[in-house]
Amino acid sequence: GIQVEQSPPDLILQEGANSTLRCNFSDSVNNLQWFHQNPWGQLINLFYIPSGTKQNGRLSATTVATERYSLLYISSSQTTDSGVYFCAVRSGAGSYQLTFGKGTKLSVIP
Amino acid sequence: EAQVTQNPRYLITVTGKKLTVTCSQNMNHEYMSWYRQDPGLGLRQIYYSMNVEVTDKGDVPEGYKVSRKEKRNFPLILESPSPNQTSLYFCASSPSPYSVGYTFGSGTRLTVV
Repeated sequence: GIQVEQSPPDLILQEGANSTLRCNFSDSVNNLQWFHQNPWGQLINLFYIPSGTKQNGRLSATTVATERYSLLYISSSQTTDSGVYFCAVRSGAGSYQLTFGKGTKLSVIP
Repeated sequence: EAQVTQNPRYLITVTGKKLTVTCSQNMNHEYMSWYRQDPGLGLRQIYYSMNVEVTDKGDVPEGYKVSRKEKRNFPLILESPSPNQTSLYFCASSPSPYSVGYTFGSGTRLTVV
């Protein structure tokens, strides 16, 4: 099946700093999503971005499908950004499975 | 409020005692799925359903069953739970497999002793 690798596995930031999280995938995809799991375990859908660039406030995401990677940018980080960020992909050819990466754990310190 | 409701939130059970974790969504979503989350492994898909009476296996279906008799409900059944099924379980729904709007339930922490 498709492989999804996220980097870095852990990231510690000072409040106000910017960061870039990366997601590499091993095959072509027709669906790519970013999720945030807060420290209390709640999972929130951030972006649906199989290709191109999207922005939502301080967060933006870019997927370059031809090169098989996606980037999540967090600007002016806040302590509420802490948690684990997951990338999830669905490969083509009629697949309906969603495969998650192992996540990047972000800690934003005041 | 649009939501996915899972019950129970916490469950401790003994090996071999059948259990069901319920999942219900009020958004008229076509697609529903179950995941388990284990430390260091991220989320792995157990089963998914494209619509009523249409279900299929995910990456880790062994030891689990599902059913989709109504659009809003997608229960997860463990017929004979074992300790290796101790995990955090999430139910999710979305309008389709290819859309934004993926909504997760709050999770069920299951311990099998």
